[in-house]
Amino acid sequence: EVQLVESGGGLVQPGGSLRLSCAASGFTFSKYSFNWVRQTPGKGLEWLSYFGWSGTTIYYADSVKGRFTTSRDIARDSLYLQMSGLRDEDTAVYYCTRDSSRGYAMDVWGQGTTVTVSS
Amino acid sequence: QSALTQPASVSGSPGQSITISCTGTSSDIGGYNYVSWYQQHPGKAPKLVIYEVSNRPSGVSNRFSGSKSGNTASLTISGVQTEDEADYYCSSYRSSSTLVRSSSSSTLVFGAGTKVTVL
Repeated sequence: EVQLVESGGGLVQPGGSLRLSCAASGFTFSKYSFNWVRQTPGKGLEWLSYFGWSGTTIYYADSVKGRFTTSRDIARDSLYLQMSGLRDEDTAVYYCTRDSSRGYAMDVWGQGTTVTVSS
Repeated sequence: QSALTQPASVSGSPGQSITISCTGTSSDIGGYNYVSWYQQHPGKAPKLVIYEVSNRPSGVSNRFSGSKSGNTASLTISGVQTEDEADYYCSSYRSSSTLVRSSSSSTLVFGAGTKVTVL
């Protein structure tokens, strides 16, 4: 079964750091590009980062550029989101998504992991 | 980065057709055929229903169709059913550079979402 499973969410104080993980299974991880997307409670979706399959093409949204870093470990079939300088407004459910290679469409989504930034 | 513009809500009776619009600019929807649509039921992760403006992934009902004219994309649900009641989000590739896939100017952007109610 094609699957993405996020982990690493939790409660963190403003200014703190957190690393999210996304474990992939059921497909060849190294051949796909991925995204991180978040959703604030009761609000819409916000794209955060795109990580190209080659590892050389990485995009970030302005809202997280310089604070968040996306990386991957091919040996572990895992994608990561390192978050630092966290703010109250970063509180959200964070999704890992697979790029379908068709016009940046996201064809596989994880179940999400919740990050709460609060003192 | 401003979101794409969607109506907050759209409603229809079972069997009717409904259309959701998604308006952007020449830097996103108008400039590329990289428009996707996602369906999200409460408490669930989003699901891809349309990619590259008008293509349906395998397994998605042919009641869902997509189109684009200028800077506006549209999702039409023909013969809407109760199970179609959900939030719908459009997404597009956006570039502020003439160089497609330039890391410094490439982003993805979502609409704010449209709640579809089946009366």
